[in-house]
Amino acid sequence: EPEVTQTPSHQVTQMGQEVILRCVPISNHLYFYWYRQILGQKVEFLVSFYNNEISEKSEIFDDQFSVERPDGSNFTLKIRSTKLEDSAMYFCASSATAYEQYFGPGTRLTVT
Amino acid sequence: AQKVTQAQTEISVVEKEDVTLDCVYETRDTTYYLFWYKQPPSGELVFLIRRNSFDEQNEISGRYSWNFQKSTSSFNFTITASQVVDSAVYFCALSDHTGGFKTIFGAGTRLFVKA
Repeated sequence: EPEVTQTPSHQVTQMGQEVILRCVPISNHLYFYWYRQILGQKVEFLVSFYNNEISEKSEIFDDQFSVERPDGSNFTLKIRSTKLEDSAMYFCASSATAYEQYFGPGTRLTVT
Repeated sequence: AQKVTQAQTEISVVEKEDVTLDCVYETRDTTYYLFWYKQPPSGELVFLIRRNSFDEQNEISGRYSWNFQKSTSSFNFTITASQVVDSAVYFCALSDHTGGFKTIFGAGTRLFVKA
């Protein structure tokens, strides 16, 4: 069964560094999403992406964040200058029909 | 506005007990999807069920069952004869057109099943 994959599974970085989290969505999907889950809290929407542009973003998704689909298969989330409060689990999701999202296993980001 | 409420923060049961996790949702759309996910300590989100707003039939899958009631905007999840392996955080979630199809999660219910 096709699945969403994410790399790395765990990323440790120092405050102020740039990180790129990578996702490979399911191949025929058209809608892509990033979500964040701070430890012990609920999963929160960050951004949705369709037709090579952002379709919606939350207030969390400020200028420090950007997304890209660089090569037609990967979908990346970049954090330009990480802060301690960016430490969280980041989930990528993709869908063919918008309603039905498939989530990746997540990348745990630790900012020290 | 879309909202998912899981009023139970933590539930603790003894193995073999039945347990019901409550979920109440809010949406203005007539077409929407509801979901349950399990999050074990390893952190991934394990998909359990998806239900669309036009299908109010209750569903049973092994020890799991779901009760969808549009009249009360509830989508409750019952685990029958709970096992220690059921210990996890369970999230109820909603996706609708007004919300741009993003998934709105509830705060989660942490279930402890003791041997």
